[in-house]
Amino acid sequence: RKEVEQDPGPFNVPEGATVAFNCTYSNSASQSFFWYRQDCRKEPKLLMSVYSSGNEDGRFTAQLNRASQYISLLIRDSKLSDSATYLCVVYEGNFNKFYFGSGTKLNVKP
Amino acid sequence: ETGVTQSPTHLIKTRGQQVTLRCSSQSGHNTVSWYQQALGQGPQFIFQYYREEENGRGNFPPRFSGLQFPNYSSELNVNALELDDSALYLCASSARQGVETQYFGPGTRLLVL
Repeated sequence: RKEVEQDPGPFNVPEGATVAFNCTYSNSASQSFFWYRQDCRKEPKLLMSVYSSGNEDGRFTAQLNRASQYISLLIRDSKLSDSATYLCVVYEGNFNKFYFGSGTKLNVKP
Repeated sequence: ETGVTQSPTHLIKTRGQQVTLRCSSQSGHNTVSWYQQALGQGPQFIFQYYREEENGRGNFPPRFSGLQFPNYSSELNVNALELDDSALYLCASSARQGVETQYFGPGTRLLVL
């Protein structure tokens, strides 16, 4: 079983739509969680950290559910520029390891 | 731009050869992590270097090794290259070890023939 699993998509949505991605992780002792964004043939860039209480940054909302071992990312009012692959990242502090999911591809259409 | 640079940008090698990839971290960052990203996959953690010592390692064989220099720049060395080593190799720097915002470089694309 992979440490981090994501639906690869693609999610094809119209501009203005709300879209949500989930990511599950296997190690209940994982300590920290992140969402990164990766544009085609570019490096990943941090979108946001995910806190236990949930957090919001503009149109983006991240949630963590430790009991069910999943994190989510909600994007409201999608823009064409949101088209990218979204990577879920889990950090295991005991071994100082970072685990990336395979990514979920989002296509926002006009 | 993150300030993290990598060289070379592209590289072609043949099976069995050795390769060295280089990374310069962002100013003020003392930690460098290396990742392998195969086509269509997420980055896979190779290892992290902090103050010139390996500080965490993923599931990669010993033929993947690294160095960090006093100026915090880093090298990734891969010996006995295999076809499956063809990938994008990403370097990320952060201000300290462990969990910390990582800033990625543009990567080196390695093709093994």
